[in-house]
Amino acid sequence: QQPVQSPQAVILREGEDAVINCSSSKALYSVHWYRQKHGEAPVFLMILLKGGEQKGHEKISASFNEKKQQSSLYLTASQLSYSGTYFCGTLSSGSARQLTFGSGTQLTVLP
Amino acid sequence: NAGVTQTPKFRVLKTGQSMTLLCAQDMNHEYMYWYRQDPGMGLRLIHYSVGEGTTAKGEVPDGYNVSRLKKQNFLLGLESAAPSQTSVYFCASTRTAYSNQPQHFGDGTRLSIL
Repeated sequence: QQPVQSPQAVILREGEDAVINCSSSKALYSVHWYRQKHGEAPVFLMILLKGGEQKGHEKISASFNEKKQQSSLYLTASQLSYSGTYFCGTLSSGSARQLTFGSGTQLTVLP
Repeated sequence: NAGVTQTPKFRVLKTGQSMTLLCAQDMNHEYMYWYRQDPGMGLRLIHYSVGEGTTAKGEVPDGYNVSRLKKQNFLLGLESAAPSQTSVYFCASTRTAYSNQPQHFGDGTRLSIL
């Protein structure tokens, strides 16, 4: 079953913050985050492991709430280069060899 | 430093034609995947392989076949193309299936079926 991402789309001004959520109905081993720019391949951002710490990548960080089976991606002081579609992918019991991706959150950062 | 290479990048087919998409990785990864991406649908897994000579079905396998005769190559075949298979196809690979391994994606193949 596909994880649910919210919001579906968000528009920001440069310098503003955003949060993207990813929820699953299954018990998760890990949550992966990827960013895809238009016409390009998805690019890996970070992985959140069960029992692991919050991860960071430049001004982008994420957390994993194991009790809620939910992960959140935090974009701080967004830059124009952050524009793109963000996907979460989940590894869960019963499908531990394959990521199941959400439908994506389209982020647009305006000058 | 090629990573994951997909061939071809673009292709237009007529309904009923067949074709093979090639994915090659130079990272000695065990696991390889084929996804399709349609607008608003995210990435959906077609087939995957956990090692040379192995293949397994993903979420949307119907109408596709795959082969992994060599560790570095993963082929996706369409035996009789249908308009519903118009999509962008991505190949990905990962070292193992452990939770902490990221997937590396190719640049995609844009396929149109007329």
